[in-house]
Amino acid sequence: DAKTTQPTSMDCAEGRAANLPCNHSTISGNEYVYWYRQIHSQGPQYIIHGLKNNETNEMASLIITEDRKSSTLILPHATLRDTAVYYCIVRVPTRNTDKLIFGTGTRLQVFP
Amino acid sequence: DAGITQSPRHKVTETGTPVTLRCHQTENHRYMYWYRQDPGHGLRLIHYSYGVKDTDKGEVSDGYSVSRSKTEDFLLTLESATSSQTSVYFCATRLEPNDNEQFFGPGTRLTVL
Repeated sequence: DAKTTQPTSMDCAEGRAANLPCNHSTISGNEYVYWYRQIHSQGPQYIIHGLKNNETNEMASLIITEDRKSSTLILPHATLRDTAVYYCIVRVPTRNTDKLIFGTGTRLQVFP
Repeated sequence: DAGITQSPRHKVTETGTPVTLRCHQTENHRYMYWYRQDPGHGLRLIHYSYGVKDTDKGEVSDGYSVSRSKTEDFLLTLESATSSQTSVYFCATRLEPNDNEQFFGPGTRLTVL
């Protein structure tokens, strides 16, 4: 079962910040939160990840609440090319590797 | 993108026939994964490999088997395809177990009639 819940879809105006929320209320202390996106049914693409602290890279920022039950992915200046399905994912450590547990994703539509 | 290719990219087959999907990578990544993607389910892990000849089951492994005889190739086999296995299949790789990123291939669309 998915460990994350996300809104099914969101809209954002080009040039504005896109804030994508995610709930992961059952996350364990050693499980990371990851974000991937999928454009036009291509393979998913890594965006960012975090455990407790807020993170930023060249693509996005990740804000994780202090209780770690939710997080928000921020695309600071959305462009039309950011239109995609965004997946909030929990990385679960297992015996031989870590597993990515995908949710159903948020379809972000960026409009002109 | 870890030089991942999947073959075939599209396949239509009939119920009861065997099907093998191939994932090939050129970056010498140790870990390889097979996922399926269905509407309303996101991606779900089928099987994974943590080295040559080392594999383990994921969440939805029933009806699938895998093999990894060399680092660069990870094969997914449907011994007797069923209509419920109609899906898009993605392969992914990772260099080390705790690396931040899994790299995904372009996907294979399989239709079982």
